[in-house]
Amino acid sequence: EAGVVQSPRYKIIEKKQPVAFWCNPISGHNTLYWYRQNLGQGPELLIRYENEEAVDDSQLPKDRFSAERLKGVDSTLKIQPAELGDSAVYLCASSLELVDEQFFGPGTRLTVL
Amino acid sequence: GDSVTQMEGPVTLSEEAFLTINCTYTATGYPSLFWYVQYPGEGLQLLLKATKADDKGSNKGFEATYRKETTSFHLEKGSVQVSDSAVYFCAPYSGGYNKLIFGAGTRLAVHP
Repeated sequence: EAGVVQSPRYKIIEKKQPVAFWCNPISGHNTLYWYRQNLGQGPELLIRYENEEAVDDSQLPKDRFSAERLKGVDSTLKIQPAELGDSAVYLCASSLELVDEQFFGPGTRLTVL
Repeated sequence: GDSVTQMEGPVTLSEEAFLTINCTYTATGYPSLFWYVQYPGEGLQLLLKATKADDKGSNKGFEATYRKETTSFHLEKGSVQVSDSAVYFCAPYSGGYNKLIFGAGTRLAVHP
């Protein structure tokens, strides 16, 4: 069974440019998470979806970040415009239900110059 | 709010040495507790978990016991291997916030 798929794996952009990350969760997983992991730190939750509904986006900087999960499967996280401080690894994870084990993708390493 | 404190790294050990990585947490109620591991170039993967007091989670020779009285979930392994070199994250599940709270991670380096 395929794991969580993310693309791209690496992205380098200049500040003020837009960027988008894509995630395909494990088939059948209703819950999808986006995390940001800064260098030397643990992941921090940005947004959580239950099917297509964003049920926790309290940590998502809404002035520049947006996310969607159309049809409750794939998800896209967007930053527009990117800032230097957005350089981090963006992780996607999925789980069958809310408190279940979370399965993580390999992440997208974003570098903003 | 809910939080977790992990032993700072890096931890450097020789092969076959004993490993302990300390983890303590503050959380509302009795959260489920998880250890995740991140190997170089890979995503996080679940190492072990415990869902109630005195439960012992184990996997790949690693163990951790849910200690309610000390709010701790220390990770141990009796004999580490070079292949155990990775970053280890302790993560209680916060029922109040409905999310995992990750520690900063502890980098383990095992040399032959």
